[in-house]
Amino acid sequence: QSALTQPPSASGSPGQSVTISCTGTSSDVGGSNYVSWYQQYPGKAPKLLIHEVNKRPSGIPDRFSGSKSGNTASLTVSGLQAEDEADYYCSSYAGNSKYVFGTGTKVTVL
Amino acid sequence: QVQLVESGGGVVQPGGSLRLSCAASGFTFSSHAMYWVRQAPGKGLEWLAVISSDGRQKYYADSVKGRFTVSRDNSKNTLDLQMNSLRPEDTAVCFCAREGRPGSFDPWGQGTLVTVSS
Repeated sequence: QSALTQPPSASGSPGQSVTISCTGTSSDVGGSNYVSWYQQYPGKAPKLLIHEVNKRPSGIPDRFSGSKSGNTASLTVSGLQAEDEADYYCSSYAGNSKYVFGTGTKVTVL
Repeated sequence: QVQLVESGGGVVQPGGSLRLSCAASGFTFSSHAMYWVRQAPGKGLEWLAVISSDGRQKYYADSVKGRFTVSRDNSKNTLDLQMNSLRPEDTAVCFCAREGRPGSFDPWGQGTLVTVSS
């Protein structure tokens, strides 16, 4: 299982939007609706932001949204805030009861 | 509240073994599949294993298949990961996570550090 491809970094000014891509194959992202996104602060455990491509768990601000087109999923953070500066990871079901994570993206709020 | 607490990490020599545990509370443990995920220092997340809610089905990443074994005790609300034939590249923080919504990992424990070094 090869890791899903994410850009190493992304940035934006407060109030702006940033979109992070997550590219896989037809065997994972393209073939599954079980795509999820996680936020991780340094030294902390990841936190679920988005599940099943575009669904937000309760308590997650609607500034966070997810989508998918073909083999690429995307996470958009709108109205960037200082607290959004963190690492973000995507994950996808990869068949045969296995999962794969993305390479991770560090978001910087300028 | 839902809580997962890992333990058992430490320093082990190459070729050695270590057993990690994850204590669950605040939810019906026997109703959820459980996962192990690791993160090497400064690196990304890597999915390791999943065990079904009843413990009968287990699946592993190719990188650990044959060396790691996942198990659970639903009477004690605990999840374990037996790690054998450890290699320096197994050095990582290991997290346990519950299957929350379908296909998602939610929540996560705080992680336990495994260091493989001579």
